[in-house]
Amino acid sequence: DIVLTQSPLSLSVTPGEPASISCRSSQSLLQSNGHNYLDWYLQKPGQSPQLLIYLGSNRASGVPDRFSGSGSGTFFTLRISRVEAEDVGVYYCLQGQQAPWTFGQGTKVEIK
Amino acid sequence: EVQLVESGGGLIQPGGSLRLSCAASGFTVSGDYMSWVRRAPGKGLEFLSIIYSGGTTYYADSVQGRFTISRDNSKNTVYLQMNSLRVEDTALYYCARGRVGGPRLDPWGQGTLVTVSS
Repeated sequence: DIVLTQSPLSLSVTPGEPASISCRSSQSLLQSNGHNYLDWYLQKPGQSPQLLIYLGSNRASGVPDRFSGSGSGTFFTLRISRVEAEDVGVYYCLQGQQAPWTFGQGTKVEIK
Repeated sequence: EVQLVESGGGLIQPGGSLRLSCAASGFTVSGDYMSWVRRAPGKGLEFLSIIYSGGTTYYADSVQGRFTISRDNSKNTVYLQMNSLRVEDTALYYCARGRVGGPRLDPWGQGTLVTVSS
């Protein structure tokens, strides 16, 4: 199975400051069609997970443009340009390149 | 509105069985792929299973041979049959719709809690 390793595992950020989370894959997530099958999700406290980014860099509908995804192959990054209080929760990457899909361990983001 | 509602969770003894349901509205479960994911207490999200539109299924190693995903197109519902339950299967179970460009899981249901305990 593909292993996804996130870092850091926790992050404390001042509102208005940027933040980034990385996700490293044990195998390339790039398919021959040129797409990287890597999503990013946020699970806010007490809520179900929500999709932020799909195919490595495509923002899901309704997701604020302060969220962006980048990377290819085995290394990916989620960036928040200016963290807001509502961004607290646990962020996960998920690979869909190979079944069974696998999640990263999660990164807990808190506000200072 | 696209919506998923899970049900069927509860308290069950080790070795027992449960069937979770995921009722969909606003889209047809047979046209997309449907997935089950869980979050155990104090742990992260864990992918469990997927059923593609063509009927192909996949499972995580942790549930392979014990859990079975299926769907009833007439009821627009997806199921997760869970057998030989273990204490470590205690978790909040979510279903989610996957789409082309996947996994792309969106939306997710509200979750149903399964507690395995004697």
